[in-house]
Amino acid sequence: DSGVTQTPKHLITATGQRVTLRCSPRSGDLSVYWYQQSLDQGLQFLIQYYNGEERAKGNILERFSAQQFPDLHSELNLSSLELGDSALYFCASRGETEDNEQFFGPGTRLTVL
Amino acid sequence: GIQVEQSPPDLILQEGANSTLRCNFSDSVNNLQWFHQNPWGQLINLFYIPSGTKQNGRLSATTVATERYSLLYISSSQTTDSGVYFCAGTQGGSEKLVFGKGMKLTVNP
Repeated sequence: DSGVTQTPKHLITATGQRVTLRCSPRSGDLSVYWYQQSLDQGLQFLIQYYNGEERAKGNILERFSAQQFPDLHSELNLSSLELGDSALYFCASRGETEDNEQFFGPGTRLTVL
Repeated sequence: GIQVEQSPPDLILQEGANSTLRCNFSDSVNNLQWFHQNPWGQLINLFYIPSGTKQNGRLSATTVATERYSLLYISSSQTTDSGVYFCAGTQGGSEKLVFGKGMKLTVNP
């Protein structure tokens, strides 16, 4: 158990819908990262937050947005869903030590029908 | 950005065999990590190894940062070692992990 939690574990929805994925980082971790794992693109970085502020953006679509709340949990919002958005979405967090090791949550498996 | 190449892409072993997985980077990387993705999709941290050698039970890893590669050794493999192994690293001041395509390991009883 990495200490990073994600809900829900599975999500099945229809095209055009909007969903919210939730992540709670390890206790005390200020950095949260979102990654997407799809069959064709592999594991790709989406976005990073640090203590409530966006720090870095990767290959995140305009239909997707994220935020980190004062209690440090983060939410990834996916809207106008398409079939191609079906993927495993991971959240990771990192501590404030010298090591920059990222610890991953169990993921949310999104299926868009 | 950096490219991460993993080899071999697939490996089938009999239980008890040893294996070596390799990860090559196109440029200097920081914060190199190895992960095991189990059949349920979970990404398990194996090693954080920006340089040097570490061991954890039957697994060990070596990173030669100056030559831009890392190796993961699995000894006396077990069926529970099956899954996909990923290496990933960051570049420069970026904190985003760039992943390889993974190596699928199947250990047969």
